Amino acid sequence: DQQVKQNSPSLRVQEGRISILNCDYTNSMFDYFLWYKKYPAEGPTFLISISSIKDKNEDGRFTVFLNKSAKHLSLHIVPSQPGDSAVYFCAASRFQGAQKLVFGQGTRLTINP
Amino acid sequence: GAGVSQSPSNKVTEKGKDVELRCDPISGHTALYWYRQSLGQGLEFLIYFQGNSAPDKSGLPSDRFSAERTGGSVSTLTIQRTQQEDSAVYLCASSLGDGTNEKLFFGSGTQLSVL
Repeated sequence: DQQVKQNSPSLRVQEGRISILNCDYTNSMFDYFLWYKKYPAEGPTFLISISSIKDKNEDGRFTVFLNKSAKHLSLHIVPSQPGDSAVYFCAASRFQGAQKLVFGQGTRLTINP
Repeated sequence: GAGVSQSPSNKVTEKGKDVELRCDPISGHTALYWYRQSLGQGLEFLIYFQGNSAPDKSGLPSDRFSAERTGGSVSTLTIQRTQQEDSAVYLCASSLGDGTNEKLFFGSGTQLSVL
């Protein structure tokens, strides 16, 4: 039972344009969501998070949007840069501070120069 | 060290052999996790240690898998009688474990290949 789903295994975007990565979840008990970024041969690194009491959180070029009714969140990167090329994982937990995260399958983002 | 350290970085073993994977968490982090990523899959939770509490073993896929955390620091994940389906990247992570910081810091992982 895949509780967190990233249905796009890969995405290609031109440098300077917007990258939109999507994530859906099925467990209505989740109320804290995170995005991690992973380069080859490295562990995932935390990127940005959002609590269910918000519908948007922004950090520089990265913005996460949450639609609780649709159980959907998305990560927007604008403008996209070649260094953003990586695998992005969506993760969810039942509350902020809960340590056991449930991850999606990841989306490989490639930014073309 | 400054980050989470895992060893070995790569391990090739024969089916049926036992393997041990090691994780050194960030100093001062009381929470430690093991995840694994099989080819084309997301990160799958295996086990979680928090301070002196009993570990959450709910993600271990079979009784061939076990983990220890000695002295509240270094952890070892042991897989007995390895099978080909155990082939994956095994990732260790640590966090402050104070109940407020959900940010996990991951190591680079151990790529396990079972022939």
